[in-house]
Amino acid sequence: QKEVEQDPGPLSVPEGAIVSLNCTYSNSAFQYFMWYRQYSRKGPELLMYTYSSGNKEDGRFTAQVDKSSKYISLFIRDSQPSDSATYLCAMSGAGGGNKLTFGTGTQLKVEL
Amino acid sequence: DAGVTQSPTHLIKTRGQQVTLRCSPISGHKSVSWYQQVLGQGPQFIFQYYEKEERGRGNFPDRFSARQFPNYSSELNVNALLLGDSALYLCASEGRLAAYNEQFFGPGTRLTVL
Repeated sequence: QKEVEQDPGPLSVPEGAIVSLNCTYSNSAFQYFMWYRQYSRKGPELLMYTYSSGNKEDGRFTAQVDKSSKYISLFIRDSQPSDSATYLCAMSGAGGGNKLTFGTGTQLKVEL
Repeated sequence: DAGVTQSPTHLIKTRGQQVTLRCSPISGHKSVSWYQQVLGQGPQFIFQYYEKEERGRGNFPDRFSARQFPNYSSELNVNALLLGDSALYLCASEGRLAAYNEQFFGPGTRLTVL
């Protein structure tokens, strides 16, 4: 069993839809939870990070972490075609940096 | 400011050969990590270096090695290449973002082993 599980998709939604992306994990030592966006043939770029449980909002993006269920989510409101990319969840232990453990990524396509 | 740079962009090798990939971190960053991303998968941690010392190693065979130089740039070496080593190799440099050490990724080197 992988430490981090993520539905690979692909996920196709119409422009303006609310998108929900999710990951589950098994390692209780994870304390930092990140969402990266990766465009084709590019390196991942950090969208948001959350420390421990709770919600965090940044514009159209909301990240949620439920450590009791070992479940994290990313919500994208008013999705745009420019949001089309692969979304990777990632986690790490104390300190935030060091080794990142990634999910497999969910491929998202937002259609006009 | 320049981001993380990696070279070469693409590389084609044959089985059994050796390859060296290079990474320059963001100015001021002292930590560099290497990840392997196989097509359709998330990145897998290979190594992390801080101030020229190895700080972490992932579950990769001894064919994989790395080093960091005094200017904090880094090289990843892979010996005796296998077909399964074909992947995007990502370098990340680590910088402080409030209370969190963010890893900034480069564009990667795409390695194809024939």
